[in-house]
Amino acid sequence: GDSVTQMEGPVTLSEEAFLTINCTYTATGYPSLFWYVQYPGEGLQLLLKATKADDKGSNKGFEATYRKETTSFHLEKGSVQVSDSAVYFCALSDLTPNQAGTALIFGKGTTLSVSS
Amino acid sequence: NAGVTQTPKFQVLKTGQSMTLQCAQDMNHNSMYWYRQDPGMGLRLIYYSASEGTTDKGEVPNGYNVSRLNKREFSLRLESAAPSQTSVYFCASSLSGTGGPLYGYTFGSGTRLTVV
Repeated sequence: GDSVTQMEGPVTLSEEAFLTINCTYTATGYPSLFWYVQYPGEGLQLLLKATKADDKGSNKGFEATYRKETTSFHLEKGSVQVSDSAVYFCALSDLTPNQAGTALIFGKGTTLSVSS
Repeated sequence: NAGVTQTPKFQVLKTGQSMTLQCAQDMNHNSMYWYRQDPGMGLRLIYYSASEGTTDKGEVPNGYNVSRLNKREFSLRLESAAPSQTSVYFCASSLSGTGGPLYGYTFGSGTRLTVV
């Protein structure tokens, strides 16, 4: 079945450091890919998405490129802030035109801690 | 504010007790989901409802039942709680159909359940 694998954390960085969180996936079809973020004590929020190969999703300085050849969707940010400290989840949705309402498949999450 | 509302936020149960977790959304979404989040396991789907009147099992349905009461409400019931059900439970909603996940899931803030 479909699955998502993320690098294990925690990832600990100093403010203004470069961030990469690796994500690879296995899917039978042509999935859409997502990054969600969870701040302490809150639910998950959609951070960015990409729906086809070579698409780049971006939001709040974060970027991720859908790489079909390496089945990857790595999250990057050029200069992290303390406020970026959170848990980041990679996810995929393998909908086909005949499927409706099926769920996202999440990775296990990567905790990012940024210190000043 | 529009969104997904979960109640209660915290609950402690004794083994064998029953309870219902409530979830309501006011975004006119067709699809709703229940996930549990455990350390090192990420989010795992318990049940989902693609549309009003339908429910389907997810990855970890054992020990749970659900009711899609109407378009807005989707409840999760534990009939006889066990310590293994200690977890944080999240409800989410989305538009249905192939475009649903592309618009993102909206998550509630979670219910932290402890079974002793």
